[in-house]
Amino acid sequence: NAGVTQTPKFQVLKTGQSMTLQCAQDMNHNSMYWYRQDPGMGLRLIYYSASEGTTDKGEVPNGYNVSRLNKREFSLRLESAAPSQTSVYFCASSAPYRNTEAFFGQGTRLTVV
Amino acid sequence: GIQVEQSPPDLILQEGANSTLRCNFSDSVNNLQWFHQNPWGQLINLFYIPSGTKQNGRLSATTVATERYSLLYISSSQTTDSGVYFCAVGNYGQNFVFGPGTRLSVLP
Repeated sequence: NAGVTQTPKFQVLKTGQSMTLQCAQDMNHNSMYWYRQDPGMGLRLIYYSASEGTTDKGEVPNGYNVSRLNKREFSLRLESAAPSQTSVYFCASSAPYRNTEAFFGQGTRLTVV
Repeated sequence: GIQVEQSPPDLILQEGANSTLRCNFSDSVNNLQWFHQNPWGQLINLFYIPSGTKQNGRLSATTVATERYSLLYISSSQTTDSGVYFCAVGNYGQNFVFGPGTRLSVLP
């Protein structure tokens, strides 16, 4: 059981390049999330998807777009990368009912030069 | 939105000591979790505890939902307990907000 899988694990981009971070979960969860973590700081929510077909902005959505491709997959796209987007990105998923917890992927370390 | 505070921000302990970490949140929630982020950056689920008390080995947690706080207890600390401890709260189908974390260093 893989849980939440993120790809790639590491990426270096030049300013202005675009890329998509992929996330997939195999726990049949409805809700999925994207966070960023800057050095020495907590996790800040970028976007979340409560269920397939819906997405909502979190605390720091500017410069990002998301796609909930199906129930399993939730991708995060940087259209024109900036150095300020250098961060570690985490994807998570959870089920929208009682006694369930959110599970996180291992993270994607992105550097924009 | 929901605000989450954690205290203390930093904690240094000698191996074998006990500690209590606190999480305060500003609104009613039906999901509260504690995580440990290890030195390699992995987020490890410790407790799912929207209310009540749970124990897992040397760690235990208590959430008093009516007073909007949660406590994480670490007993007989070990060097492998070092890292950052995060509290995160939310409501089903909505956003899930993290606190700023408590950075714990356990010295041998």
